[in-house]
Amino acid sequence: AAGVIQSPRHLIKEKRETATLKCYPIPRHDTVYWYQQGPGQDPQFLISFYEKMQSDKGSIPDRFSAQQFSDYHSELNMSSLELGDSALYFCASSLGSSGGNYNEQFFGPGTRLTVL
Amino acid sequence: KQEVTQIPAALSVPEGENLVLNCSFTDSAIYNLQWFRQDPGKGLTSLLLIQSSQREQTSGRLNASLDKSSGRSTLYIAASQPGDSATYLCAVRQRGAQKLVFGQGTRLTINP
Repeated sequence: AAGVIQSPRHLIKEKRETATLKCYPIPRHDTVYWYQQGPGQDPQFLISFYEKMQSDKGSIPDRFSAQQFSDYHSELNMSSLELGDSALYFCASSLGSSGGNYNEQFFGPGTRLTVL
Repeated sequence: KQEVTQIPAALSVPEGENLVLNCSFTDSAIYNLQWFRQDPGKGLTSLLLIQSSQREQTSGRLNASLDKSSGRSTLYIAASQPGDSATYLCAVRQRGAQKLVFGQGTRLTINP
């Protein structure tokens, strides 16, 4: 079965550089979520989109932005990178935004971002 | 603010034992609860999802229960195997929200 695809899988950047992470949801899934997992930490929610509209927002820094495109893939743009941004970034997808379905979130393999 | 706690933080048992992992949450107004497995440095694999109206879900050797009123869920693993070694995370989705709030996880080691 098709899963969530994330690219790149690994990324190394210098401080103050920018990075773009991409997420391709499971076919027919219309909702995408972004999470950040620091070393030894549990995943922290950043932001989500349903039908190309922002549907929920968590602790996402102002330096980060994201969007969902017409084909439902999503991109997380990160600027002015800091050492503390080094983490595993997960994208998840689900079918439907509310009521009447299970909204089970399926996670991708993650992008490991290292900021030097 | 929803807080999710998992006990114990780590567990080591011999192969073949049945075991229970615990998850508690502070706000019972949840939409659903998911249990995940995470291998070191890897992604999260969804194991079971329980809707707020359900009491339990089963998949193979795994059984998850939910007691929403007391803010608790348990993951029961039967006949544990070395391949079950991983970190197990529970996460709740609050009513009216999209995000999952995760616990810190239980690091499980099954010894051959």
